[in-house]
Amino acid sequence: AQSVTQLGSHVSVSEGALVLLRCNYSSSVPPYLFWYVQYPNQGLQLLLKYTSAATLVKGINGFEAEFKKSETSFHLTKPSAHMSDAAEYFCAVSERAGGTSYGKLTFGQGTILTVHP
Amino acid sequence: DTEVTQTPKHLVMGMTNKKSLKCEQHMGHRAMYWYKQKAKKPPELMFVYSYEKLSINESVPSRFSPECPNSSLLNLHLHALQPEDSALYLCASSRGGQGLDTQYFGPGTRLTVL
Repeated sequence: AQSVTQLGSHVSVSEGALVLLRCNYSSSVPPYLFWYVQYPNQGLQLLLKYTSAATLVKGINGFEAEFKKSETSFHLTKPSAHMSDAAEYFCAVSERAGGTSYGKLTFGQGTILTVHP
Repeated sequence: DTEVTQTPKHLVMGMTNKKSLKCEQHMGHRAMYWYKQKAKKPPELMFVYSYEKLSINESVPSRFSPECPNSSLLNLHLHALQPEDSALYLCASSRGGQGLDTQYFGPGTRLTVL
């Protein structure tokens, strides 16, 4: 079974500061990894995904994530935080049971990002 | 276009009511999902439909009844719910088939059970 651990349920940064949200995964096979963002009272929006094509993945809104197999990590970063980045962020790993035609997501517990002026 | 729509946006119901949640996508996706999300928690998978057939039921109580009338539409029928069923209900869809299968989520229905 696959699992995801997000270190830090709350992260607080100042506007303009670096954003670093941590995600470690456990998987017995090469994983598909995702970062989703959820604004209050909204659904989940896909930020970016790792598909093994490149270890550094660029997403929307200036976010990027680096896949490090040796560290089993997929941390999310943004060089300069903006007030509009305040939201909850979920890291997820996708597993596919043999013979199925759908993916099953396993989510981390989420990290709430607060951005101070 | 990666849009999944859900109606209604908000729903308040009593424990004896019957109501339905609706989810629609027009991306040609063949897998559709229902999730339940409580406050400050990640989404929890409830059901998966693949090619209009129920593939996963994560031991969900029978007061929740999913239905997939066609490849674009997914319903969740609600009956005799409990106050603890109050949550955000999210629908998602994905292409299905082999390889990477990215799920796209709708905006959710905020359900309150009185």
